[in-house]
Amino acid sequence: EAQVTQNPRYLITVTGKKLTVTCSQNMNHEYMSWYRQDPGLGLRQIYYSMNVEVTDKGDVPEGYKVSRKEKRNFPLILESPSPNQTSLYFCASSFLPGNYGYTFGSGTRLTVV
Amino acid sequence: QKEVEQDPGPLSVPEGAIVSLNCTYSNSAFQYFMWYRQYSRKGPELLMYTYSSGNKEDGRFTAQVDKSSKYISLFIRDSQPSDSATYLCATVTTDSWGKLQFGAGTQVVVTP
Repeated sequence: EAQVTQNPRYLITVTGKKLTVTCSQNMNHEYMSWYRQDPGLGLRQIYYSMNVEVTDKGDVPEGYKVSRKEKRNFPLILESPSPNQTSLYFCASSFLPGNYGYTFGSGTRLTVV
Repeated sequence: QKEVEQDPGPLSVPEGAIVSLNCTYSNSAFQYFMWYRQYSRKGPELLMYTYSSGNKEDGRFTAQVDKSSKYISLFIRDSQPSDSATYLCATVTTDSWGKLQFGAGTQVVVTP
């Protein structure tokens, strides 16, 4: 089944404890992206990648890191999480976002206390 | 100010009615337009995409784009309770394919 898989689905952590949210897609897509979704603010892009070793900032990159060492994987790293990073996170992938849009994963609900 | 504005709703309609959703955008460079549907506790799924001004139909769904007014719409005919979800508009420019910009989403409730 073609899909974008994120792990974990739920995560509660403490301020300052480094964490990684994994994302993997099995559709051989070039583009991958991370979004966060907050009430009233909608989906805001954190980072995106156009191919292996090519990443770029979205609208809200502060406090996040990404890497794209393999085509299928695009992990999101929070080096020192803070409570304002409590959010619902989505990973997405696409052949060509303009024509086909992104295929989204099921989301990771992160709580930082 | 967000580049894509969308009324958050909620929008409540009786079953069988037409649902009318819309977004406005500020950047005239946006050229591709999409509508996503998001059920509670799920990721968004692509409903429709369009490039040009005008209408595009897919079953009960019609997407409409007016580039001169920077206005995009989605109409759902013969609405069903299963259409209850949040609908998000999205757009992107051709010189920045990866940066898909979303509206905040409109929550739709279709009551039996």
